[in-house]
Amino acid sequence: NAGVTQTPKFQVLKTGQSMTLQCAQDMNHEYMSWYRQDPGMGLRLIHYSVGAGITDQGEVPNGYNVSRSTTEDFPLRLLSAAPSQTSVYFCASTGTLDNEQFFGPGTRLTVL
Amino acid sequence: GNSVTQMEGPVTLSEEAFLTINCTYTATGYPSLFWYVQYPGEGLQLLLKATKADDKGSNKGFEATYRKETTSFHLEKGSVQVSDSAVYFCALSSVTGGGNKLTFGTGTQLKVEL
Repeated sequence: NAGVTQTPKFQVLKTGQSMTLQCAQDMNHEYMSWYRQDPGMGLRLIHYSVGAGITDQGEVPNGYNVSRSTTEDFPLRLLSAAPSQTSVYFCASTGTLDNEQFFGPGTRLTVL
Repeated sequence: GNSVTQMEGPVTLSEEAFLTINCTYTATGYPSLFWYVQYPGEGLQLLLKATKADDKGSNKGFEATYRKETTSFHLEKGSVQVSDSAVYFCALSSVTGGGNKLTFGTGTQLKVEL
């Protein structure tokens, strides 16, 4: 099992550009989520999904869109990037055993 | 709403010293509690967990006990090593809409020196 994979590992965007952060898991987990990590603020939930076709907003959803067409994939879209979205983004999926969350390696995004 | 408060870092210790990282929480109901560790340049890994009051989670020499009366889940290790240098996150989970959501503390950076 590869676990949770994320691409790209690093990305630099200009203000106003769009891009998609990819996330995939091969553990057949229903629940997936996206977090952003900023210094001194821990991890904050952006969006989550409880299964294919079902998504919902987390704590900081503004400026981000998600979709869940398959169990395996949960991409995060930035439609018009802003410097405030400079952060490290983590995708996670949740197992059914004690609700443990498995994290991907992260995407470091810089918006100029 | 749910919240997690961790002691501020960085915490700098000498090898073989005793470690305590404090964590307290606010939550409704009976959440599960977790400690995650993040090594430099990597994602978060589950270190240990406890799912009910008085449970003790343990892994790699680290321990934490779920204390409902004090709403705490302090992380301890008797003798730290340089390889324990990392950022440690306390978290709680709440079940919502069929899945669970994690609420994280702000993280505590640990530096262990020779």
